[in-house]
Amino acid sequence: NAGVTQTPKFRVLKTGQSMTLLCAQDMNHEYMYWYRQDPGMGLRLIHYSVGEGTTAKGEVPDGYNVSRLKKQNFLLGLESAAPSQTSVYFCASSFLAGGKETQYFGPGTRLLVL
Amino acid sequence: SQQGEEDPQALSIQEGENATMNCSYKTSINNLQWYRQNSGRGLVHLILIRSNEREKHSGRLRVTLDTSKKSSSLLITASRAADTASYFCAWRAGAGSYQLTFGKGTKLSVIP
Repeated sequence: NAGVTQTPKFRVLKTGQSMTLLCAQDMNHEYMYWYRQDPGMGLRLIHYSVGEGTTAKGEVPDGYNVSRLKKQNFLLGLESAAPSQTSVYFCASSFLAGGKETQYFGPGTRLLVL
Repeated sequence: SQQGEEDPQALSIQEGENATMNCSYKTSINNLQWYRQNSGRGLVHLILIRSNEREKHSGRLRVTLDTSKKSSSLLITASRAADTASYFCAWRAGAGSYQLTFGKGTKLSVIP
């Protein structure tokens, strides 16, 4: 049982390049989330999904797209990277109901955009 | 921004002392949770308190919630060097909300 895994762990991009971050969970959770964490800030929600085939915008969605084609995977895409997207990205998953509202986090992806 | 505040931003104590961290939020909530983050790692859930609860314990952790003041506190008793980490509160708003909103965190250093 690996929990939540993220690929890659670290990436350097040039401005304008694109990339996809992959999140996978093996806990059969319905809900998945993408956050970014910047120095001195808590986590800010980028996009989330409440089930396979569904996605919704969070607090800071601009410049990002997501897809949830399979229940266990949640992809975060950057179509044209900007230096402002330099951050640490965390994926999380959870149940929501029945008191099982804990979010389980991946180890993070550190992204540097030059 | 819907982010609240955590107080203090940083806290340094000696091993064996108690550590108290405070969290304020801005909306009505369904529940409030506390998470811990070791340097360079993902967050780990510590404890959840529901809006109709006032206090909850888990091992050396004690969480209080005052919904009239929109505030919560996390107390870690008899701290250990291994408790050194950042601590974040996060809250889920009312029915129909799927999102957690996180505070900015308190960085705790426990000196052996």
